[in-house]
Amino acid sequence: DAKTTQPPSMDCAEGRAANLPCNHSTISGNEYVYWYRQIHSQGPQYIIHGLKNNETNEMASLIITEDRKSSTLILPHATLRDTAVYYCIAASSSNDYKLSFGAGTTVTVRA
Amino acid sequence: GAGVSQSPSNKVTEKGKDVELRCDPISGHTALYWYRQSLGQGLEFLIYFQGNSAPDKSGLPSDRFSAERTGGSVSTLTIQRTQQEDSAVYLCASSSYLNTEAFFGQGTRLTVV
Repeated sequence: DAKTTQPPSMDCAEGRAANLPCNHSTISGNEYVYWYRQIHSQGPQYIIHGLKNNETNEMASLIITEDRKSSTLILPHATLRDTAVYYCIAASSSNDYKLSFGAGTTVTVRA
Repeated sequence: GAGVSQSPSNKVTEKGKDVELRCDPISGHTALYWYRQSLGQGLEFLIYFQGNSAPDKSGLPSDRFSAERTGGSVSTLTIQRTQQEDSAVYLCASSSYLNTEAFFGQGTRLTVV
């Protein structure tokens, strides 16, 4: 699986959009970009995934650059409950059952 | 139940004892994964099952660790002769064959004293 790089931490104001970057410059054509988050003391939670088109669901939006070397997860209106570690993972469709979690980005939403 | 269930939620064991951790995946999910997370660390992949077979055991840290899955459902992770470094939260996840969204349980917190 391609390696991903995320900033170790970021702060966000409650009610504002949180934009979480992820670099995956070595991503291959059949690898998807997945986002999960882990709230303290809980198991990870799936957020969204995509291949090359932008994706949106009830939790977030995923913007993938045209060259697919980076992506941004957008939480449109961050709340205090969005404080968590956010993981960006690149995984292939043939090996996507081995999700490799890196260090992630610790996002702190402040009132 | 609706989600992935793990038991026990907490386990304290003495060094050298064997422990069994159980995972009940979401009904119908063919893929099942085990991870562990040491305090303040990221998730470490241990093993995954597709049905009852485990194509990838590369993450098991030593031969004291083993896992099985029966009936394409319940999985058990067994740690023999536990050591203090085995103390961690052990997380189980499952996903359907076609949907790669993995659902995680709340984990088993193992403490070896």
